[in-house]
Amino acid sequence: KNQVEQSPQSLIILEGKNCTLQCNYTVSPFSNLRWYKQDTGRGPVSLTIMTFSENTKSNGRYTATLDADTKQSSLHITASQLSDSASYICVVISNDMRFGAGTRLTVKP
Amino acid sequence: DGGITQSPKYLFRKEGQNVTLSCEQNLNHDAMYWYRQDPGQGLRLIYYSQIVNDFQKGDIAEGYSVSREKKESFPLTVTSAQKNPTAFYLCASSIQPGDTEAFFGQGTRLTVV
Repeated sequence: KNQVEQSPQSLIILEGKNCTLQCNYTVSPFSNLRWYKQDTGRGPVSLTIMTFSENTKSNGRYTATLDADTKQSSLHITASQLSDSASYICVVISNDMRFGAGTRLTVKP
Repeated sequence: DGGITQSPKYLFRKEGQNVTLSCEQNLNHDAMYWYRQDPGQGLRLIYYSQIVNDFQKGDIAEGYSVSREKKESFPLTVTSAQKNPTAFYLCASSIQPGDTEAFFGQGTRLTVV
């Protein structure tokens, strides 16, 4: 069983709408958590990093939250754009990096 | 420009042949990694290297081999022993082993025909 579970697997939204992606993990010990954006056929690019003591962090239209007690993180995208269409990968850093399977987001005009 | 470069972007191989994927970085990073990405699964670690002339097996090393003769280069060979080699391969590097941020290359799509 994967130690990092993401939901939903895929999501389709209209341009301009908001959405929230979820990441639940069982990895221990916990160091920090990153969200990556991966365009189709490209390598992942880091969006945000969350440490144990941080609850929320924003990067433009992206806002990540972390609840270290319940081992849950979310990535909220505001006012979506067509260029947001990508896979979003949750990565939990412990003694190594553990990757979720990603959420495939499609933004339609 | 500083970065991590993978080549080629697309690669086709006949069954039974070995093939080598290139990964070069000019970020002066000590640690380098190879991952395999399959649809619906998270990235899985094949091999990693913490320093020149040293490398360690990851979760799915069978059928793969690597070398780290230079700090900036970490080629991956997919051997004929790899039963299901068709996949998207990603190389990454980080400043130090266990560093919190990994920088990824653009990937190589390998297809066995």
